[in-house]
Amino acid sequence: QITLKESGPTLVKPTQTLTLTCTFSGFSLSTNKVAVGWIRQPPGKALEWLAHIYGNGDEKYCPSLKTRLTITKDTSKNQVVLTVTNMDPVDTATYYCAHLQGGTNRYYFDHWGQGTLATVSS
Amino acid sequence: DIQMTQSPSSLSASVGDRVTITCRASQTISPYLNWYQQKPGKAPELLIYATSSLQSGVPSRFSGSGSGTDFTLTISSLQPEDFATYYCQQSYSAVMYSFGQGTKVEIK
Repeated sequence: QITLKESGPTLVKPTQTLTLTCTFSGFSLSTNKVAVGWIRQPPGKALEWLAHIYGNGDEKYCPSLKTRLTITKDTSKNQVVLTVTNMDPVDTATYYCAHLQGGTNRYYFDHWGQGTLATVSS
Repeated sequence: DIQMTQSPSSLSASVGDRVTITCRASQTISPYLNWYQQKPGKAPELLIYATSSLQSGVPSRFSGSGSGTDFTLTISSLQPEDFATYYCQQSYSAVMYSFGQGTKVEIK
């Protein structure tokens, strides 16, 4: 059974760096057909894809945020970490990590964590 | 970037109604279109992947169709537990995934 759980600070100050950890179980992040992604959702707004990393280490980033995002994986700990630099109040959101399943003509987020709310305020 | 536009943004419907939600992409994305359901305070859940494949455990009243740039999510007979917000998402672009803005289904 696949599970994912996000952890990180609930409050960060403007200009600080947000570091979020996704700890997962039930699968191995070791192939190019599986990835772990990060998606965020500002309060009352739509979902926004941020980044994902495949088991082979391939990283994908949202172009508009690419300069501020870094995604890494620690296969031995079953963890994926996302850092977001230079945080701003508009980055206040619930951040979700999710399991990305790939295959022929299909890639989809089939398991999600519960989400963690990060608020940016001085 | 591939833009995803859902319509309507919200709708009111009654239990038992047939509901259709449309998603249009700014370029062809077949068949890399997925649908998610999100209830208040909860994480999204996958309903449909690759345009028309029903995720395991999802009731058969949900179905997806479409091709090219135009896609549809249909709920054949709306149930009380289906009142939620629905999002489409494209995974065609290898460099950027994107979601629609969401469609909120409310009780009439």
